[in-house]
Amino acid sequence: DVKVTQSSRYLVKRTGEKVFLECVQDMDHENMFWYRQDPGLGLRLIYFSYDVKMKEKGDIPEGYSVSREKKERFSLILESASTNQTSMYLCASSPRTSAGNEQFFGPGTRLTVL
Amino acid sequence: AQKVTQAQTEISVVEKEDVTLDCVYETRDTTYYLFWYKQPPSGELVFLIRRNSFDEQNEISGRYSWNFQKSTSSFNFTITASQVVDSAVYFCALSGRPGAQKLVFGQGTRLTINP
Repeated sequence: DVKVTQSSRYLVKRTGEKVFLECVQDMDHENMFWYRQDPGLGLRLIYFSYDVKMKEKGDIPEGYSVSREKKERFSLILESASTNQTSMYLCASSPRTSAGNEQFFGPGTRLTVL
Repeated sequence: AQKVTQAQTEISVVEKEDVTLDCVYETRDTTYYLFWYKQPPSGELVFLIRRNSFDEQNEISGRYSWNFQKSTSSFNFTITASQVVDSAVYFCALSGRPGAQKLVFGQGTRLTINP
């Protein structure tokens, strides 16, 4: 059974803290993605990675950075958390092929920044 | 630029009713893929269907059916004889050109099936 796991389901942090969200997939997928989900806005892409040590900005990268040191792991970093980063964060992965591939999602991390 | 619009923010029906979720997309790519995902209360998005732009055949899977119309840039999703377990947020998504891996999601439609 394919699986994408995220380190926490719920997280509460204080303004200014450095926050790490971890995502691990066991499907040997090349592509990994970080989204945030907000009511009325759907899913918005923060960053994605096509390969180890590769990263590209998505639609809303400001205030975030990422790290992909191993193929199976993709980390999202909030350097200095702010209240407007309170949201649901979803990680996904997909194989790299020529066709449009569905992405496999983790259960999400609901982050609250106080 | 690519865009997906799900104009229905919330829908509430009584069990056993049929319900259609609308999805309208914009893209300049001639080859593209359309998706539907379901997000139950547990939070994890579940893939339902993928359609490529060259295949306009409608698809039926049990109580679920999808109507793809390039002429109106729509990819609508119908649930027949809805059940309480169908309650979820449903997302339509688009990826363009072969090899492009990013998905653009619509805003989502929250569907509530009342017993």
